[in-house]
Amino acid sequence: KAGVTQTPRYLIKTRGQQVTLSCSPISGHRSVSWYQQTPGQGLQFLFEYFSETQRNKGNFPGRFSGRQFSNSRSEMNVSTLELGDSALYLCASSGDTDRATEAFFGQGTRLTVV
Amino acid sequence: GQNIDQPTEMTATEGAIVQINCTYQTSGFNGLFWYQQHAGEAPTFLSYNVLDGLEEKGRFSSFLSRSKGYSYLLLKELQMKDSASYLCAVRGTMDSSYKLIFGSGTRLLVRP
Repeated sequence: KAGVTQTPRYLIKTRGQQVTLSCSPISGHRSVSWYQQTPGQGLQFLFEYFSETQRNKGNFPGRFSGRQFSNSRSEMNVSTLELGDSALYLCASSGDTDRATEAFFGQGTRLTVV
Repeated sequence: GQNIDQPTEMTATEGAIVQINCTYQTSGFNGLFWYQQHAGEAPTFLSYNVLDGLEEKGRFSSFLSRSKGYSYLLLKELQMKDSASYLCAVRGTMDSSYKLIFGSGTRLLVRP
């Protein structure tokens, strides 16, 4: 079956703009989590959506938001972009989260803010 | 709070064995995962431990001690392609909606 698909793969934006990233999880998976990865910081948890509801949120400012649609596809939005938002944004999908199952990652969207 | 610690970098020789340690302090525990991430690529799942002990999968093994909040990933017969970052991650319990939190990763360099 198809893996996790993230679009676009690369994006260049200027400060102050906003951006929307998309993630299509593995078919049948209802949980989608978003992570920001920067050198030296590892994967920082942004938020998780499960059945269209945000179930968890990391320590990021309100400029970072997301949503999940009925088909489990998820979008992440960052408004008023700052240079420090330049990073690789990864999404991961999981099946049943009432059991400890692994997360499957997409290839990520590399965002550069200039 | 949640805290996951791993060494930042390690170097080993092709054909050797390397052990990458991970210590964690989390408010709840529902499994520990190891992922491998090559530069510019997505993390890929390596192993999962939820009970104490050793899980072996070919050249890779992972160990867990829940009482000590400690895990390690053991890589045997190292190959050049094993040069990558290795990420330790802990999944929380229902109280934290099973959130998966990652350590900063250990960058492993395998030398000939």
